[in-house]
Amino acid sequence: GDSVTQMEGPVTLSEEAFLTINCTYTATGYPSLFWYVQYPGEGLQLLLKATKADDKGSNKGFEATYRKETTSFHLEKGSVQVSDSAVYFCALGTGGGADGLTFGKGTHLIIQP
Amino acid sequence: DTAVSQTPKYLVTQMGNDKSIKCEQNLGHDTMYWYKQDSKKFLKIMFSYNNKELIINETVPNRFSPKSPDKAHLNLHINSLELGDSAVYFCASSPPGSGGGQYFGPGTRLLVL
Repeated sequence: GDSVTQMEGPVTLSEEAFLTINCTYTATGYPSLFWYVQYPGEGLQLLLKATKADDKGSNKGFEATYRKETTSFHLEKGSVQVSDSAVYFCALGTGGGADGLTFGKGTHLIIQP
Repeated sequence: DTAVSQTPKYLVTQMGNDKSIKCEQNLGHDTMYWYKQDSKKFLKIMFSYNNKELIINETVPNRFSPKSPDKAHLNLHINSLELGDSAVYFCASSPPGSGGGQYFGPGTRLLVL
């Protein structure tokens, strides 16, 4: 079945550091790929997405590129802020949308001032 | 206006009780979902409804029953609550196709004592 593997945290960085959170996937067919962010005590917010190979999703300084050859969708940001502290989830969707998303286990990111 | 809303936000109850969680979306989406997030933040799909028809049911105990009175609502009813049901339950909705991503509600934190 479909699966998503992402680095587990917590990941602790200093403010203005470069961020990479790795995500790889296994899926039949051609999935859409997503990054969601969950701030403490809140629901999940869609951060960015990519629907086909070589697409780059970007939002709020975060980027991720859909790499079919390495089945990866790594999340990057050039300079993190304390306000980026949250749990980040990589996810994939297949089957025309009626199926649920398959999520990774989440990466807890802590940014220190 | 809140796109996907859930009530209640917190639910504390005794083992053996029956409870319901309500979900409403005003995005005009055809598909709605219920997810369970455990204490380790792992998210797993429970149900999907497309135009009031159940699409998937991922090995969820039959004590859990989704009910969709119309396209904008998907409620979750839980019978005979058990300690292991304690979790955060998220409702989500999505437009047609898998590329649009899903929009999540704020979550309902259920604690079974």
